[in-house]
Amino acid sequence: DSGVTQTPKHLITATGQRVTLRCSPRSGDLSVYWYQQSLDQGLQFLIQYYNGEERAKGNILERFSAQQFPDLHSELNLSSLELGDSALYFCASSSPSGTTIYNEQFFGPGTRLTVL
Amino acid sequence: DAKTTQPPSMDCAEGRAANLPCNHSTISGNEYVYWYRQIHSQGPQYIIHGLKNNETNEMASLIITEDRKSSTLILPHATLRDTAVYYCIVRALFGNEKLTFGTGTRLTIIP
Repeated sequence: DSGVTQTPKHLITATGQRVTLRCSPRSGDLSVYWYQQSLDQGLQFLIQYYNGEERAKGNILERFSAQQFPDLHSELNLSSLELGDSALYFCASSSPSGTTIYNEQFFGPGTRLTVL
Repeated sequence: DAKTTQPPSMDCAEGRAANLPCNHSTISGNEYVYWYRQIHSQGPQYIIHGLKNNETNEMASLIITEDRKSSTLILPHATLRDTAVYYCIVRALFGNEKLTFGTGTRLTIIP
């Protein structure tokens, strides 16, 4: 158990719909990262938040957005869903840079999104 | 971040040492080598990382060549639970914190 929780575990929805994925980081971790894993693209970084502020952006579509709340949990919003958005979505958290030697990321169990 | 090259798949007999190679010939001086693994469709799991010295922890050992252009992850006594995709990632310790995953090596432990 990494200490990172994600809900829901599975989500099935239709094209054109909007969904929200939720992530609670490990206690004390200020950084939250979102990754998408699809069969054809592999594991790809989407976006990072640090203590409520967007810190880095990767291959995130404009239809997707995220935020990190004052209690440090994060939500990833996916809208106008397409078949190609079907994937595993992972959240990871880490301690602030400089506070640990490793700064490794701890991943949650993921949310499997199926768009029909 | 520097690019890494790993063999797509490897087999190893249960109880033997699994040696997973990684090439990172364009690594720069401030970049570390990280290893993560992903068991089935679970979230990736951190294994170990290093800069230039060999490193060992309770999970594995990491051997980095003197020129730092390649490394080997060693699982000393592989078990069936070590069957997973192993990712070698190169990135700076500070600064750009995202992880750039390649295609990894699918390690299968044979009973």
